[in-house]
Amino acid sequence: GAVVSQHPSWVICKSGTSVKIECRSLDFQATTMFWYRQFPKQSLMLMATSNEGSKATYEQGVEKDKFLINHASLTLSTLTVTSAHPEDSSFYICSARVNRGYTFGSGTRLTVV
Amino acid sequence: AQSVAQPEDQVNVAEGNPLTVKCTYSVSGNPYLFWYVQYPNRGLQFLLKYITGDNLVKGSYGFEAEFNKSQTSFHLKKPSALVSDSALYFCAVRDDNQGGKLIFGQGTELSVKP
Repeated sequence: GAVVSQHPSWVICKSGTSVKIECRSLDFQATTMFWYRQFPKQSLMLMATSNEGSKATYEQGVEKDKFLINHASLTLSTLTVTSAHPEDSSFYICSARVNRGYTFGSGTRLTVV
Repeated sequence: AQSVAQPEDQVNVAEGNPLTVKCTYSVSGNPYLFWYVQYPNRGLQFLLKYITGDNLVKGSYGFEAEFNKSQTSFHLKKPSALVSDSALYFCAVRDDNQGGKLIFGQGTELSVKP
């Protein structure tokens, strides 16, 4: 149980375009979703915390206008990378709180060319 | 602020030998500690957690971890390593002062050779 489905697994986009990443909780209601960014062989950097029905809380240094997070329902949270640039290329992972732990999406490899 | 540290970037072990991946923590209050494993281009898989209770926590895939309050450590262990255990391992602590987000260590790459 407690599965988060993240799509797409990988995406290649052109500079200047926007990309949307979706995370769906399949068998539970995710009131809180965390969005992370990870560079190769490095740790996860928390970008923002989203709560259903309210504005996301962004970590210091994360551009909220560039990384738009929407958590409109208890089963869906989205991260949109707007006007993507090559430096936005990274691995993005979502995570939801469940009971006394957390479950993670499978991640999205974004490559901006 | 809550934090965890993984002092080793890489750990190399021969198959069949015991393995240890180290983690130390710094928290105010009771620590909620986790271990996760990540395979290339994948999300994180839960291994085990310490909330309260027994200091020796048993988890998935034969892994276990020992919570040591005096040494503020939560090392991950396995009696006999498999080649398939080769992956990136993360220790994490829950920060209840900041919305319950997880704070991750730097990660340790485990390499198990045949």
